[in-house]
Amino acid sequence: EAQVTQNPRYLITVTGKKLTVTCSQNMNHEYMSWYRQDPGLGLRQIYYSMNVEVTDKGDVPEGYKVSRKEKRNFPLILESPSPNQTSLYFCASSLDASGPGTGELFFGEGSRLTVL
Amino acid sequence: AQSVTQPDIHITVSEGASLELRCNYSYGATPYLFWYVQSPGQGLQLLLKYFSGDTLVQGIKGFEAEFKRSQSSFNLRKPSVHWSDAAEYFCAVGAANAGKSTFGDGTTLTVKP
Repeated sequence: EAQVTQNPRYLITVTGKKLTVTCSQNMNHEYMSWYRQDPGLGLRQIYYSMNVEVTDKGDVPEGYKVSRKEKRNFPLILESPSPNQTSLYFCASSLDASGPGTGELFFGEGSRLTVL
Repeated sequence: AQSVTQPDIHITVSEGASLELRCNYSYGATPYLFWYVQSPGQGLQLLLKYFSGDTLVQGIKGFEAEFKRSQSSFNLRKPSVHWSDAAEYFCAVGAANAGKSTFGDGTTLTVKP
């Protein structure tokens, strides 16, 4: 089954404790992206990757890091989480045959993060 | 820069009634337009997509959308709403050189019995 898998689905942590949210897709998609969803703000892009070892900032990259060492995986790293990073996070991937932003995004089920 | 506006934050319709969710976009070139649905506790799922061709696009679950270039709109419609359609709906716009899809803030649909 084609899917995007995120872990953990739920996490409560404390300020400053490094954490990683993993994302893996089994569709051989080149494009992967992280979004955060906050009430009234829709989805805002954090980082995206067009291929292995190619990453770029989205609209709200501050406080986050990513890496793309393998095509299927795109982890989101919070080096020193703060309460304003409490949010619902979505990983997505896309085939994007005509370029990033042109293809259907396949989303994971989301990771709800609370930073105390 | 591309942008998307969904004017309605929340819409309530009765089951069996028709539905129209509004979406206005801003982008200089030819846009790729999408509608996604998010059921509670789930990720987003594509309902339909438009890039070129017939301006009336059919999607899954009985939804359709009409692209109107003159109005910069891509409104989503359904003739008869079912209780299971209650969800949040997102319009998105992308372009070949934009690097991403940009999402609207979403419209929450409530369906009354």
